[in-house]
Amino acid sequence: QQQVKQSPQSLIVQKGGISIINCAYENTAFDYFPWYQQFPGKGPALLIAIRPDVSEKKEGRFTISFNKSAKQFSLHIMDSQPGDSATYFCAASGGGADGLTFGKGTHLIIQP
Amino acid sequence: NAGVTQTPKFRILKIGQSMTLQCTQDMNHNYMYWYRQDPGMGLKLIYYSVGAGITDKGEVPNGYNVSRSTTEDFPLRLELAAPSQTSVYFCASSYSSSSGQGGGNTIYFGEGSWLTVV
Repeated sequence: QQQVKQSPQSLIVQKGGISIINCAYENTAFDYFPWYQQFPGKGPALLIAIRPDVSEKKEGRFTISFNKSAKQFSLHIMDSQPGDSATYFCAASGGGADGLTFGKGTHLIIQP
Repeated sequence: NAGVTQTPKFRILKIGQSMTLQCTQDMNHNYMYWYRQDPGMGLKLIYYSVGAGITDKGEVPNGYNVSRSTTEDFPLRLELAAPSQTSVYFCASSYSSSSGQGGGNTIYFGEGSWLTVV
């Protein structure tokens, strides 16, 4: 059972455009929703995270939008740059000791 | 401050061989994890530990074993390697101040260990 569904699997965006990645979850006990960024040959690193008590969180060019009733959240990358090219994972946690449940990842390519 | 360090970076195993992936962290984190990453499948939890002497199974524990004798170290043992264990393995750690409350805390990952079983 896939508890966090992520789309699209891959995404190509022109430099300066907006990249949008979507995730949906099933478990209503989830209360922490991070996004991780992974460059080739490296481990994932935390990019931005949100809790369900707010509908949006912005850090620089990165914004998470959260819709609790729809059980969906998304990552928006404004003014996308070639250096943003990476794999992005959404994840969710319900406060248990077993860490995060990850989506399958989105391979983002920003074309110059 | 090295963070989470994994060794080896790359390894080729023959079917039926055994090996241990080493993981150590210097952040004094109480929680540690092992994930495997397969193409297009995201990261799946193999085992986790909430402190020295305590380990528990994750989503995909079959074929693996772990131990946690110290706060810093969390080795992953592969017994009787199989081609299905060809993957990239990530060790990770986090800190939680409340027992059983691992969520909401940043998880820090190592750089990964690429394992091929032939």
